[in-house]
Amino acid sequence: KAGVTQTPRYLIKTRGQQVTLSCSPISGHRSVSWYQQTPGQGLQFLFEYFSETQRNKGNFPGRFSGRQFSNSRSEMNVSTLELGDSALYLCASSLRQGSGNTIYFGEGSWLTVV
Amino acid sequence: SQQGEEDPQALSIQEGENATMNCSYKTSINNLQWYRQNSGRGLVHLILIRSNEREKHSGRLRVTLDTSKKSSSLLITASRAADTASYFCATDTQGETSGSRLTFGEGTQLTVNP
Repeated sequence: KAGVTQTPRYLIKTRGQQVTLSCSPISGHRSVSWYQQTPGQGLQFLFEYFSETQRNKGNFPGRFSGRQFSNSRSEMNVSTLELGDSALYLCASSLRQGSGNTIYFGEGSWLTVV
Repeated sequence: SQQGEEDPQALSIQEGENATMNCSYKTSINNLQWYRQNSGRGLVHLILIRSNEREKHSGRLRVTLDTSKKSSSLLITASRAADTASYFCATDTQGETSGSRLTFGEGTQLTVNP
C-alpha cells in the first residue's frame, strides 16, 4: 500500500508569506505527526494529531500550526515566514497513538524562504 | 533539544565490512527506533526495539538496547554501497495513551566505499 505522501515536494517562499504543507498518511493510520529538519537543529518534533485533535506539541512558536481532517489527512501552516524556517518538513504516520507504534515517514517537503 | 547522541558522527568503511553505530540517550524510554535517510530524502524505518527487549534482528541489521546504560547500537553486517546514508536513532518517551513524540539523535553518516 502507498506510503506517507507529502505535497508539495519543493517550494520557495518569500519572507513574510505563509505556506501550507499537506500530508496523506498510510491508509488506516490515524496518528499524524510533523517534524522539522535543519542542518543546525537536526530533527525536531512539531506536533502530533490523532482523531483530529492535537495530542502533542513541540517547542515552536505559534506561527507553526496544523490540523487533521476526518480522513486523517493533515496540513501544517507556517505564517509570517522567516529565513530560519527554511527546512525539510517531514510528516509521519502511525496506526495508533501512543508509544510502541512504528512511525513511518514521508519524503518531506523542502521549504526555502528567501 | 536532542535526547540522543550518536557515535561516531561519520563512519567510512569498505564494502563487505560491518558497520556499528551507537546511540546514547538521557531519560527513560518506552521504545527506540532506528531510521535511515538518504541525502535529501525522507526517513526509512529500520527497526523498533521496546524497552523490555535487548536485541532484535532484521536481515543484515542487528539492534541492541541496554537500558541500564541508556544506549543502543545498530550493526549492519556485510555492508553494501547502497547502505551509504545517514542513520538516526529516535527515542519515544510518551505513554501509551498520551501520543508519540520521537526525539532524534544527530545521526551517523555512513559511507560504504565500493
